[in-house]
Amino acid sequence: DAGVTQSPTHLIKTRGQQVTLRCSPKSGHDTVSWYQQALGQGPQFIFQYYEEEERQRGNFPDRFSGHQFPNYSSELNVNALLLGDSALYLCASSLVPGLAGDYEQYFGPGTRLTVT
Amino acid sequence: AQKITQTQPGMFVQEKEAVTLDCTYDTSDPSYGLFWYKQPSSGEMIFLIYQGSYDQQNATEGRYSLNFQKARKSANLVISASQLGDSAMYFCAMREGHGNNRLAFGKGNQVVVIP
Repeated sequence: DAGVTQSPTHLIKTRGQQVTLRCSPKSGHDTVSWYQQALGQGPQFIFQYYEEEERQRGNFPDRFSGHQFPNYSSELNVNALLLGDSALYLCASSLVPGLAGDYEQYFGPGTRLTVT
Repeated sequence: AQKITQTQPGMFVQEKEAVTLDCTYDTSDPSYGLFWYKQPSSGEMIFLIYQGSYDQQNATEGRYSLNFQKARKSANLVISASQLGDSAMYFCAMREGHGNNRLAFGKGNQVVVIP
């Protein structure tokens, strides 16, 4: 049973560039959430996708956008990168909110983004 | 305002002893859920235990138990019989409302288990 997978593992970008991070949910899950974890902090919710639409969004600027595909996998895009975007980006998958067992969220290993 | 507060400094615990990690939360929603995750140095967040606000019993999962004190809005994690592999960051998190699995995390507690 494949868990949540993310790619790439590490990424180095220059300020002003754009980046795309990818996530495949755990088998049987159809909801994907993205979190940003700065060094020494807890993860911060970016947004959540299910049924290929953004359903909830945290306090992040429009430079952060996403997409969910019919196979439930998801991408996180960040435009015009800032030094402060350097962080570990975590993807979590779960069932659609409201279903029994929907509280179970499984996280991937993360993508460590460094902006120079 | 912080929804989840974890204020303990880094902790050292002797192998085979128990350790308690403190977590207090703030919500006005009667329906909420509380989580504890473990994050080793590799970065992956590992789900440990869940407590729903309407659950009558404190949650337990193997060596992990959650001391849920609803009136005090606290949800402390107890790890019994610590093992070297328990060395990690531990995060408390909360979701609010039914049908919502967006998590708000605390800043975490660092635990180091010493032999």
